[in-house]
Amino acid sequence: DTGVSQNPRHKITKRGQNVTFRCDPISEHNRLYWYRQTLGQGPEFLTYFQNEAQLEKSRLLSDRFSAERPKGSFSTLEIQRTEQGDSAMYLCASSPPLRLNTEAFFGQGTRLTVV
Amino acid sequence: DAKTTQPNSMESNEEEPVHLPCNHSTISGTDYIHWYRQLPSQGPEYVIHGLTSNVNNRMASLAIAEDRKSSTLILHRATLRDAAVYYCILFQGAQKLVFGQGTRLTINP
Repeated sequence: DTGVSQNPRHKITKRGQNVTFRCDPISEHNRLYWYRQTLGQGPEFLTYFQNEAQLEKSRLLSDRFSAERPKGSFSTLEIQRTEQGDSAMYLCASSPPLRLNTEAFFGQGTRLTVV
Repeated sequence: DAKTTQPNSMESNEEEPVHLPCNHSTISGTDYIHWYRQLPSQGPEYVIHGLTSNVNNRMASLAIAEDRKSSTLILHRATLRDAAVYYCILFQGAQKLVFGQGTRLTINP
């Protein structure tokens, strides 16, 4: 198992374009989280899935953001009509079922730059 | 979300112990105390967690005050690779991790 995988690692896009990021969690981890991190700040929670169900969304997740986890395995985070303020590191994390462990495993993130 | 307070930064020397404090005066009985660290250009990494008793693992030790209103992460012998931002988080398992600003630890050679 290679851990949580995020692709791409880096993305540069023009303002107004749509972007999509992918997260492959550790196998058999039923919980999946998305976070956003800007320079000098701690990660900010965006959304949480348990299996394919999206159980919680932050107020930070505006209507331009959408996340899916269609079969309870990988997840995608799409940002439509990107703005310069969307420039950040987008982190994905996964966790095993609660009965096993509460530890979260993070990927290395996707760094988005909107120009 | 329950709140923690940590110093913004700390500095230590290589091969010396490091004690990273965290205050969580509003902790509830079901909150676990989790510590994560984030190395430069990496995602956060789990370090240790505990509920009431002190805990040890291969990375660190966690000392929890008797009233649970504070805790200390102890790195027994710091190396340059321990330079990172350390986050103290109160967590109930079924919720998301809520990160604060953390403590930026600098290790001097």
